[in-house]
Amino acid sequence: EIVLTQSPGTLSLSPGERATLSCRASQSVSSNYFAWYQQKPGQAPRLLIDGASGRATGIPDRFSGSGSGTDFTLTISRLEPEDFAMYYCQQYGSSPPWTFGQGTKVEIK
Amino acid sequence: QVQLQESGPGLVKPSETLSLTCSVSGDSMSGNSYYWGWIRQPPGKGLEWIGTMFRTGNTYYNPSLKSRVTTSVDTSKKQLSLKLTSVTATDTAVYYCARSPGLRRPFDFWGQGLLVTVSS
Repeated sequence: EIVLTQSPGTLSLSPGERATLSCRASQSVSSNYFAWYQQKPGQAPRLLIDGASGRATGIPDRFSGSGSGTDFTLTISRLEPEDFAMYYCQQYGSSPPWTFGQGTKVEIK
Repeated sequence: QVQLQESGPGLVKPSETLSLTCSVSGDSMSGNSYYWGWIRQPPGKGLEWIGTMFRTGNTYYNPSLKSRVTTSVDTSKKQLSLKLTSVTATDTAVYYCARSPGLRRPFDFWGQGLLVTVSS
């Protein structure tokens, strides 16, 4: 099983600032089968990034994903008020189980 | 666009079977390459993948739950089902159904989730 470790656990930033979220895998994720989700309280997760760097339908271009192998990054170029939420990474490339990271909370400073 | 809605009992007794249904609207479910999955989230915790299935019956389960999980797809009723046997308090979670464009693709549409509490 591939274990995903997200850092930091909490990111305290102000609107307009840049957010950089990291996710490290315990072994290489094949073919960049890697995604990022946003989750707000009481809501289902929302897909942001597919294939490590492709934005999902309707996702603003301030969200970008990068990385390969074992190290992946989600960057939010300028935080909007609606971006303060939990963020999860997921890999779906190896044999099951597909796994999620434990989450990074982006909170208002 | 596709919409998913989970339904089922919100309270299950320990050692019993948790049974949930997910109703799918806005998608034919047949004649396409979509996969359908179940994911859960204990209160205040992260996400755990339970399993993914195709309309033909192919299923892929989390090894940690495999001995207790059964999922199915009924394209005529446009429903998914989840059964989890011998539940304990650690199975208390919000259960989500979701759609994936392919086996090795992320989940692009999710249900709103259903909280299931395991308690006597």
